[in-house]
Amino acid sequence: DSGVTQTPKHLITATGQRVTLRCSPRSGDLSVYWYQQSLDQGLQFLIQYYNGEERAKGNILERFSAQQFPDLHSELNLSSLELGDSALYFCASSVEPTLHTDTQYFGPGTRLTVL
Amino acid sequence: GQQVMQIPQYQHVQEGEDFTTYCNSSTTLSNIQWYKQRPGGHPVFLIQLVKSGEVKKQKRLTFQFGEAKKNSSLHITATQTTDVGTYFCAGWGIQGAQKLVFGQGTRLTINP
Repeated sequence: DSGVTQTPKHLITATGQRVTLRCSPRSGDLSVYWYQQSLDQGLQFLIQYYNGEERAKGNILERFSAQQFPDLHSELNLSSLELGDSALYFCASSVEPTLHTDTQYFGPGTRLTVL
Repeated sequence: GQQVMQIPQYQHVQEGEDFTTYCNSSTTLSNIQWYKQRPGGHPVFLIQLVKSGEVKKQKRLTFQFGEAKKNSSLHITATQTTDVGTYFCAGWGIQGAQKLVFGQGTRLTINP
């Protein structure tokens, strides 16, 4: 158990719908990262937040958005869903992302299926 | 574009054979980290290499960081079925950026 929690574990929805994925980082971690992993694919970095502020953006679609709240939990919002958005979405957290020795701790992921 | 290249993308071995995956960056890295993702699981941090030429061992796993700090390798001796999974390297400090960049991973399958 990494200490990072993600809800829900599974989500099945239809095309065109909107969903919200939630992540709670490890206690004490200030940074949250979101990754997308499609079937048999690598980890595609979406976005990073640090202490409530957006820190870095990866290949995140305009239909997707995220935020980190004062209690440091984060939500990833996916809208106008398409079949191709079906994937595993991982959240990871770390203590201090500016330290080169910083490591990331991943949550169990949310499996999104768009029908 | 992809800044950390990992090869091979897939590797299938017989149980007991050795396995190696390689990670390459076009620029010098501050450090390299390795993660393992078991089938159906999430990536888990294995180890971090910081010094040029550093070699670290974890039981049957040997991790190396190149002298120029641009490449790394993970070698598994005498694979076991518990080694199945995808191994990711992640480089810190590519092109001076203060962030971790993951490679695409090497998926290891083992024939028992």
